Amino acid sequence: DGGITQSPKYLFRKEGQNVTLSCEQNLNHDAMYWYRQDPGQGLRLIYYSQIVNDFQKGDIAEGYSVSREKKESFPLTVTSAQKNPTAFYLCASSPGGGARQPQHFGDGTRLSIL
Amino acid sequence: SQQGEEDPQALSIQEGENATMNCSYKTSINNLQWYRQNSGRGLVHLILIRSNEREKHSGRLRVTLDTSKKSSSLLITASRAADTASYFCATDAVNSGYSTLTFGKGTMLLVSP
Repeated sequence: DGGITQSPKYLFRKEGQNVTLSCEQNLNHDAMYWYRQDPGQGLRLIYYSQIVNDFQKGDIAEGYSVSREKKESFPLTVTSAQKNPTAFYLCASSPGGGARQPQHFGDGTRLSIL
Repeated sequence: SQQGEEDPQALSIQEGENATMNCSYKTSINNLQWYRQNSGRGLVHLILIRSNEREKHSGRLRVTLDTSKKSSSLLITASRAADTASYFCATDAVNSGYSTLTFGKGTMLLVSP
């Protein structure tokens, strides 16, 4: 079945440590997105990528970095510069066309601080 | 930036009843989407309605859009316990020439057997 796989499901970060969240899709979608969700809140866009080797900052990109070397993969690194990283992180993809098409989501990674 | 705001924040009903959730937004949109999120899971797309459409149906779901009032509603008829979830509206927003989705904070729906 086609879909989006996020790993790990749970992740713990120590102070001063960078951690990388994985997102893989086999839907052959051009566009991929990373969102952050805090308790009781909606989703906020961190980064998005329209095509391979290209990505743009979203509303809350500070303290995060991404790469898009392959169409199916869009890993997110939470750097030590992100002072409040505890959140639920969701990856999504869409065929293209920006926000004019539905987005497909993975089941998220929950990141906590040790 | 544009943002949908859902109302109510939480809704508790009995199985078989209808559930109505509303979404208001601030500026003109190209389309509005509704998503469902079960606890601890990712979002699932429900319906996309374009700005030139007024109503759309999908199974037990009915979505309306009133662009003059900048509002949308999601109606779930004959609700089931399995409909218990959070529901989000999302509107498109132009960001450097590429539109992205902006999500509201959601309505938490509890359907009791």
